[in-house]
Amino acid sequence: AQKITQTQPGMFVQEKEAVTLDCTYDTSDPSYGLFWYKQPSSGEMIFLIYQGSYDQQNATEGRYSLNFQKARKSANLVISASQLGDSAMYFCAMREVNTGGFKTIFGAGTRLFVKA
Amino acid sequence: GAGVSQSPRYKVAKRGQDVALRCDPISGHVSLFWYQQALGQGPEFLTYFQNEAQLDKSGLPSDRFFAERPEGSVSTLKIQRTQQEDSAVYLCASSLTQGSAMLRQETQYFGPGTRLLVL
Repeated sequence: AQKITQTQPGMFVQEKEAVTLDCTYDTSDPSYGLFWYKQPSSGEMIFLIYQGSYDQQNATEGRYSLNFQKARKSANLVISASQLGDSAMYFCAMREVNTGGFKTIFGAGTRLFVKA
Repeated sequence: GAGVSQSPRYKVAKRGQDVALRCDPISGHVSLFWYQQALGQGPEFLTYFQNEAQLDKSGLPSDRFFAERPEGSVSTLKIQRTQQEDSAVYLCASSLTQGSAMLRQETQYFGPGTRLLVL
């Protein structure tokens, strides 16, 4: 079974608008962390935002926020005020305590296109 | 620069050839990870080092894959008798802390990857 599911292979957004990238996850471990990474065409994975399973509030980092709905096991990334430089692949990822907390499982990614 | 570096950036190998991929983590980082990223997919975990100890190698796809970090800094991923299905980008990442079961925010810093093409 897929541990991380990203159902949107590609997304388009107009510059300056907000966009939501979907992520659902599957785990029986009560302790886990959720991450979003950006991968531009250069190939380097860039950490964006983190949400812990016990965190009461949704994580925010500048223009990035994470819509964490624990009961639904979803962790959608919201990018506000999109910029042309946001065009990239975006990966949702998870680490579980039961696997030592270090093995990161990635989804298949969503390619975001920002239109001028 | 103080980031994670990998070399070579690109490698073309003939089927059956051995290759060695190098990762230089950020100085002082305890944890080092290798991932394999096939075209159009997310990275898949290969192996994890804490200092020089290889604590998890469950993601290595076959015994042709071997990784080492003998002095707890630079790491090498070696692939013997390469096959076409080994073609992928190999990403290395490091993190400052030990990646223990105390799950907490622990940023993994990724290198640019080595793109391996096996013909």
